[in-house]
Amino acid sequence: AQSVTQLGSHVSVSEGALVLLRCNYSSSVPPYLFWYVQYPNQGLQLLLKYTSAATLVKGINGFEAEFKKSETSFHLTKPSAHMSDAAEYFCAVSKGGSYIPTFGRGTSLIVHP
Amino acid sequence: DTGVSQNPRHKITKRGQNVTFRCDPISEHNRLYWYRQTLGQGPEFLTYFQNEAQLEKSRLLSDRFSAERPKGSFSTLEIQRTEQGDSAMYLCASSSGTSGGYNEQFFGPGTRLTVL
Repeated sequence: AQSVTQLGSHVSVSEGALVLLRCNYSSSVPPYLFWYVQYPNQGLQLLLKYTSAATLVKGINGFEAEFKKSETSFHLTKPSAHMSDAAEYFCAVSKGGSYIPTFGRGTSLIVHP
Repeated sequence: DTGVSQNPRHKITKRGQNVTFRCDPISEHNRLYWYRQTLGQGPEFLTYFQNEAQLEKSRLLSDRFSAERPKGSFSTLEIQRTEQGDSAMYLCASSSGTSGGYNEQFFGPGTRLTVL
């Protein structure tokens, strides 16, 4: 079975500060990993994905994530937060051959001016 | 608009009533998924179609829930004899038929169900 743990239900940063959203996974086989963003009253949108290629993955809107097998982590970062980044962020994992990702509980990113 | 659409966006019903939601996926996508999302939680998988075939159902899906995808295009999710615990956001997603576990799912805006 696979699972995802997102540390911190809320993360608050100032505009221009580093964003770090944490995700740890457990999987019995090499996983595929995803970060999705959800803006209020909207569906989820894929930010980036790891599919066993480069361990540092660049996504949309300046976000990136690094797959660290030894730490079973896939943390999401952005060097400089923007007000428009305020949203709910979900980490998800699926194992090869499965079409069904398991989502974490989400982290709400709050950006202060 | 060529994204995933869901109707209605909001539904308020009384306990014991039946409700039906519709999802129209991206036209060239052969895979369609239903999820349920409650406040403070990530989406939980309910069921999955490849074309018109329902290939997987979660243990979360009680027998009051039924989903169909006739002709492999749009899908409906029906909940019979609704309970207050069914109140949630119901999300639909679709994806193309890539191999393995890498499948970017495109999500609709969801249908928010409130059971009074």
